[in-house]
Amino acid sequence: DAGVIQSPRHEVTEMGQEVTLRCKPISGHNSLFWYRQTMMRGLELLIYFNNNVPIDDSGMPEDRFSAKMPNASFSTLKIQPSEPRDSAVYFCASTPGRFSYEQYFGPGTRLTVT
Amino acid sequence: SQQGEEDPQALSIQEGENATMNCSYKTSINNLQWYRQNSGRGLVHLILIRSNEREKHSGRLRVTLDTSKKSSSLLITASRAADTASYFCATGGYSSASKIIFGSGTRLSIRP
Repeated sequence: DAGVIQSPRHEVTEMGQEVTLRCKPISGHNSLFWYRQTMMRGLELLIYFNNNVPIDDSGMPEDRFSAKMPNASFSTLKIQPSEPRDSAVYFCASTPGRFSYEQYFGPGTRLTVT
Repeated sequence: SQQGEEDPQALSIQEGENATMNCSYKTSINNLQWYRQNSGRGLVHLILIRSNEREKHSGRLRVTLDTSKKSSSLLITASRAADTASYFCATGGYSSASKIIFGSGTRLSIRP
């Protein structure tokens, strides 16, 4: 298996632009998590899905952030409009479920908003 | 807010020495996990210890859990340069579909 795939790996955009981050979880995994990592705040859980259904989005910082999981093999995290304080590394992770707690992380997307 | 807090925040040791990192948490847990993150990469799962376990081994890793003190430790024996990374503890929920909360991490540097 290729592991969790994220794209793009790097994104540089100007303030006010829309940003879309993509994630393909490991095939057969039924839970998907979006995290944001910064030096100041560490690793924060933004939202997670179970069987494509959003379970907890309490970590989404503002209405500018939205996430979707239209099917079991694809999820997006969108920021509209983007702001410089959104600059961070965004990770996607998936778990197999079925009593397996281990999370498998993607390589991350480094977002820079200027 | 973060559930787990690692101690120390940074650790630098000589290659071959043992490295010990600690994690404290606040509420009751079902399990505790340790992850490693190399610079510029995603986190990688190392080991999971359940609340009814006190110690667990995996290769050069030894994890202990003291639920009465709400603390865990990760010991890496005979450290190698490749062990240089950040290490995070994470406390989990009561199902595999639950979220886990990561601590702030310990940055481990192994000097050759």
